[in-house]
Amino acid sequence: NAGVTQTPKFRVLKTGQSMTLLCAQDMNHEYMYWYRQDPGMGLRLIHYSVGEGTTAKGEVPDGYNVSRLKKQNFLLGLESAAPSQTSVYFCASSWTALNQPQHFGDGTRLSIL
Amino acid sequence: QQQVKQSPQSLIVQKGGISIINCAYENTAFDYFPWYQQFPGKGPALLIAIRPDVSEKKEGRFTISFNKSAKQFSLHIMDSQPGDSATYFCAAAREGGGADGLTFGKGTHLIIQP
Repeated sequence: NAGVTQTPKFRVLKTGQSMTLLCAQDMNHEYMYWYRQDPGMGLRLIHYSVGEGTTAKGEVPDGYNVSRLKKQNFLLGLESAAPSQTSVYFCASSWTALNQPQHFGDGTRLSIL
Repeated sequence: QQQVKQSPQSLIVQKGGISIINCAYENTAFDYFPWYQQFPGKGPALLIAIRPDVSEKKEGRFTISFNKSAKQFSLHIMDSQPGDSATYFCAAAREGGGADGLTFGKGTHLIIQP
């Protein structure tokens, strides 16, 4: 059972480039989340989805877009990468918000030069 | 505005000792308080969680103590072992509210010395 899989695991971008981070879960979870983790800042919610075809903004959504075209996948896009977006990105999923816990992937380490 | 404050930022404990990490929250609507454990290069994993209808929950060597009136909760790790060395995050959520994820503390880097 793979759980939550994130691809890629590492990526280096130049300022202004675009890319998409992919999250896939095989637990049939309804809810999916994208967080960023920065030193001394804990994890902060970027966007989340309560089901296929739905998305919503979290605490720090600026500069990111998301899509949930299939229940098992949640994509995070950076249209024009900025150095401030250098971070470790974590995807998580859960059955519902009423039934925690959230299951996390192992992260994507993204550097913007 | 930081809604969940976690302390200490780092902690060194001798093997066999008790590790204590504290968190305080501001939003009285929070009604679910999990602790996550994170090893280097890995995502956080749920360790133990509590809801405000109980003051304490114990699972093996891990105990959460919850003080609703003080809006504080803490993690106690008894008989701490080198394998417990990790970063620990407290979190809070409105389980009865929306699906807007968890509000995390900033984390505690725990080192257990052999």
